[in-house]
Amino acid sequence: DAKTTQPPSMDCAEGRAANLPCNHSTISGNEYVYWYRQIHSQGPQYIIHGLKNNETNEMASLIITEDRKSSTLILPHATLRDTAVYYCIVRVYNQGGKLIFGQGTELSVKP
Amino acid sequence: GAGVSQSPSNKVTEKGKDVELRCDPISGHTALYWYRQSLGQGLEFLIYFQGNSAPDKSGLPSDRFSAERTGGSVSTLTIQRTQQEDSAVYLCASSLAVIAGGRSDTQYFGPGTRLTVL
Repeated sequence: DAKTTQPPSMDCAEGRAANLPCNHSTISGNEYVYWYRQIHSQGPQYIIHGLKNNETNEMASLIITEDRKSSTLILPHATLRDTAVYYCIVRVYNQGGKLIFGQGTELSVKP
Repeated sequence: GAGVSQSPSNKVTEKGKDVELRCDPISGHTALYWYRQSLGQGLEFLIYFQGNSAPDKSGLPSDRFSAERTGGSVSTLTIQRTQQEDSAVYLCASSLAVIAGGRSDTQYFGPGTRLTVL
């Protein structure tokens, strides 16, 4: 699986957009980018995933660069409840369902 | 609908004892996963089951760890002769299938079991 690099921590003001970057420069053509988050003392929660096109759902938007070497998760209007550790994961297509978590980015949303 | 449930939510045991942790996946999900998260550490894959296929046990840290899934539904993770380094939160997840990229392989996690070995 391709390795991902994320900043260890970020702050965001409540109500503003939170932009969480992820580098995956060794990503292969058939690997997808997934984002999960883990709120303190809870299990991880799926947010969004994509292959090469930008994706949007009710939780967030995912912007993947044209060369697919990096991506950004956007929470358009961050709330205090979005404070969590965010994990960017790149998955190989045929290697089974396990997720390989890195250290993630600890996002703190402040009032 | 009901999500993934795990029991117990907390378990305190003495070193050397055996423990069993239970996971009830979302109904209809064919894939089931176990992970653990030690204090201050990241999430570590342990084992996963997919339908009737042989489980992928590649993440189990030692032969003291085992898991089974009965009837394609409930799973039990067993740790024999527990050690202090086994203290962690054990998380279970399930998904419809293992095909990457499709919505069906999204993993839904339970709340975890916090295991403390004294």
